Amino acid sequence: EIVLTQSPATLSLSPGERATLSCAASQSVSSSYLAWYQQKPGLAPRLLIYDASRRATGIPDRFSGSGSGTDFTLTISRLEPEDFAVYYCQQYGTSPITFGQGTRLEIK
Amino acid sequence: EVQLVESGGGLVQPGGSLRLSCAGSGFTFSGHDMDWVRQAPGKGLEWVGRTRNKAKSYTTNYAASVQGRFTISRDENSLYLQINSLKTEDTAVYYCVSYQSLVPYWGQGTLVTVSS
Repeated sequence: EIVLTQSPATLSLSPGERATLSCAASQSVSSSYLAWYQQKPGLAPRLLIYDASRRATGIPDRFSGSGSGTDFTLTISRLEPEDFAVYYCQQYGTSPITFGQGTRLEIK
Repeated sequence: EVQLVESGGGLVQPGGSLRLSCAGSGFTFSGHDMDWVRQAPGKGLEWVGRTRNKAKSYTTNYAASVQGRFTISRDENSLYLQINSLKTEDTAVYYCVSYQSLVPYWGQGTLVTVSS
């Protein structure tokens, strides 16, 4: 099983700042099958990034993904108030499909 | 436009059974792998299982935590999850996910509550 470890668990920042979220895999992940999601309370996860670096339809360009192999990063260049939420990474190329435990992005 | 709509959730007693459905539209249903994912209250996302596409004979595989109690099936336009011997720890929102050209599409989820 590929274990995804997200860091930090909680990130406290202010609007306008840059956020960098990490996702480390226990073994190599095909970049084609690495996604990032944003989730707010009571809602389904919202796809932000797939194929490690491709933005999903309608996602603002302040969100970007990078990385390969075992290390992946989600960057939010300039935080807006609506960006404060929980973020998950997912690998869906190797069964069992796995998710990171999440990073909570909170307002400082 | 790809749409996935789950249904069938509700309140069930421990030991009971439930069948969840996921109706797909806007795409050729048989051509895509489909997953069930769940999220217990206040917890993270947990993969439940997958059914492959028609070209891969609709084969299924499951998370170890649900193997033997959960069964995934599908027909022409819908995905199903049969859950038997329900436990309180199965309480969660259940989502269906479709993968299309590497892009995951999610439904809005259906809540299953297991309680006496």
